[in-house]
Amino acid sequence: IAGITQAPTSQILAAGRRMTLRCTQDMRHNAMYWYRQDLGLGLRLIHYSNTAGTTGKGEVPDGYSVSRANTDDFPLTLASAVPSQTSVYFCASSGQSGSAELFFGEGSRLTVL
Amino acid sequence: SQQGEEDPQALSIQEGENATMNCSYKTSINNLQWYRQNSGRGLVHLILIRSNEREKHSGRLRVTLDTSKKSSSLLITASRAADTASYFCATAGHTGANSKLTFGKGITLSVRP
Repeated sequence: IAGITQAPTSQILAAGRRMTLRCTQDMRHNAMYWYRQDLGLGLRLIHYSNTAGTTGKGEVPDGYSVSRANTDDFPLTLASAVPSQTSVYFCASSGQSGSAELFFGEGSRLTVL
Repeated sequence: SQQGEEDPQALSIQEGENATMNCSYKTSINNLQWYRQNSGRGLVHLILIRSNEREKHSGRLRVTLDTSKKSSSLLITASRAADTASYFCATAGHTGANSKLTFGKGITLSVRP
């Protein structure tokens, strides 16, 4: 089934540990995004990539890094997790960068203790 | 920020009734989109309305856009229990970083059987 796959579905992590959230899409979309969703704050953009080989910072990029080595994969890395990074993380893609319709994964729930 | 703000924050209606949800934003937009999120799931795109459009329909959904008031409304007619979900508006500006979708905090809709 075409779409976006995120892994892991959920994870509990000790503060200070490194964590990579994986995101893979099979729709050949150029643009990919990482959002975090927190109660009362809605969705906030962390990083994005308009096309393979390029990345950009969103609204809340600090403490996160991304890479886009190919069209399909867009991993999000927390180099040294902190409790404030406890959140639900959503990966999304769109056929074109900018303001097009987004297709979302099912999310990765991360708890940092 | 051009972040959309939804109103009301929560809405509870009886099955068969219509549900109206509103979104206001602050700056000029390229388009406005509505998304739905079922509990514990990813967001699903419902409808996109461009800045030069005033109304769009999709099944039981009707979206209006008033750029002079910087507001949009989403109407769900003949609601069903399965419409119970959170609904988000998202706005996209015209260029650069502003073209990335910015989401509101969402409206929780409960449809009572």
